[in-house]
Amino acid sequence: AQSVTQLDSHVSVSEGTPVLLRCNYSSSYSPSLFWYVQHPNKGLQLLLKYTSAATLVKGINGFEAEFKKSETSFHLTKPSAHMSDAAEYFCVVTLTTSGTYKYIFGTGTRLKVLA
Amino acid sequence: NAGVTQTPKFQVLKTGQSMTLQCAQDMNHNSMYWYRQDPGMGLRLIYYSASEGTTDKGEVPNGYNVSRLNKREFSLRLESAAPSQTSVYFCASSEPGLMNYGYTFGSGTRLTVV
Repeated sequence: AQSVTQLDSHVSVSEGTPVLLRCNYSSSYSPSLFWYVQHPNKGLQLLLKYTSAATLVKGINGFEAEFKKSETSFHLTKPSAHMSDAAEYFCVVTLTTSGTYKYIFGTGTRLKVLA
Repeated sequence: NAGVTQTPKFQVLKTGQSMTLQCAQDMNHNSMYWYRQDPGMGLRLIYYSASEGTTDKGEVPNGYNVSRLNKREFSLRLESAAPSQTSVYFCASSEPGLMNYGYTFGSGTRLTVV
């Protein structure tokens, strides 16, 4: 069965330092994986997606993620954190069923950026 | 602007009251979904509709019903609201043949049951 585990519920970094948000997935077939960001009291915004093309995926706002099949991981990184990056981040794996596909969400990682 | 529209944005209900959350999309997507978001639990699927005329239960369907009124609209009904249904509800749509594009989400409905 498809599932996704976000290894940290909270991450704190200083402004200007690197960001690493960890995600491990379980899938019985080659998955599609996504990262979404949610700023306080806002909706969900797509950061980036992996769909079996390049394993290193670049997204918006300087974020990128690397798909590592051998490690079943899809960690999100950014070289230098900005105050505006403070938000909650969700890793998502897709499950294909009944003629459509469903998102399976991780429990989220709340990123705090310290001045 | 094309997208997913949810109404209302905020709602307070008393225990036992009923209400319907509305969702409409104008992207001609076949599939629509309802999720609830609770702190520390991510988003959990309540119901989904793979195509017009079909609906299926998701992970947490108890206490809810849905109607796929037409291709555009997918409503979520709480027949007898309970405090445990206090949550933020998101509607989304997708096109099954375009999985690479992912979901389009609405802006959410914040529901409080007292």
